[in-house]
Amino acid sequence: EDQVTQSPEALRLQEGESSSLNCSYTVSGLRGLFWYRQDPGKGPEFLFTLYSAGEEKEKERLKATLTKKESFLHITAPKPEDSATYLCAVQGGSNYKLTFGKGTLLTVNP
Amino acid sequence: DAGVIQSPRHEVTEMGQEVTLRCKPISGHNSLFWYRQTMMRGLELLIYFNNNVPIDDSGMPEDRFSAKMPNASFSTLKIQPSEPRDSAVYFCASRPLADSYNEQFFGPGTRLTVL
Repeated sequence: EDQVTQSPEALRLQEGESSSLNCSYTVSGLRGLFWYRQDPGKGPEFLFTLYSAGEEKEKERLKATLTKKESFLHITAPKPEDSATYLCAVQGGSNYKLTFGKGTLLTVNP
Repeated sequence: DAGVIQSPRHEVTEMGQEVTLRCKPISGHNSLFWYRQTMMRGLELLIYFNNNVPIDDSGMPEDRFSAKMPNASFSTLKIQPSEPRDSAVYFCASRPLADSYNEQFFGPGTRLTVL
């Protein structure tokens, strides 16, 4: 059974204070690792897909990296508008089932 | 370009009542997913449709839950009878079938409270 563990559960940063969120996973045959952002009262919003170890993707202040066991979401010089819950999910041997972690609640204080 | 549409956005009902949640996927997307999100268990897949056909309903918690997709632009998730432990946020998501390893697009969710 695929498993995803995200840490920390919550992270509070000052504006401009860079940090990283962790997503550890076990999966039979990784087809893709997905990062989503979820704002309160809204559905998850897609950020990145990573397909193989060593792959990296960037979007504004966010950079996602992938190894064979974990993924990191690096946040550089965060702003208050980056405050949200960040969800990680893996797609294993099937072509449809995503297994989600419980997320990291990020708060960026001005 | 309208995204995934869900209704109602909020539903408050009493235990034992029937609840119907509705979803309109993105036009042209022929894969549809229903998820449930709770603090304890996070996001869980309930059921998956391909071309309106249920492929995997192993996540449906029990017989009180049922889902249908009568056509490519509409799906329902029904709970009958509802119980307080069904209180959660229910999300619908869609994706083109051809993009099996690409992202799913989520709707805004329906927050269900069963008293």
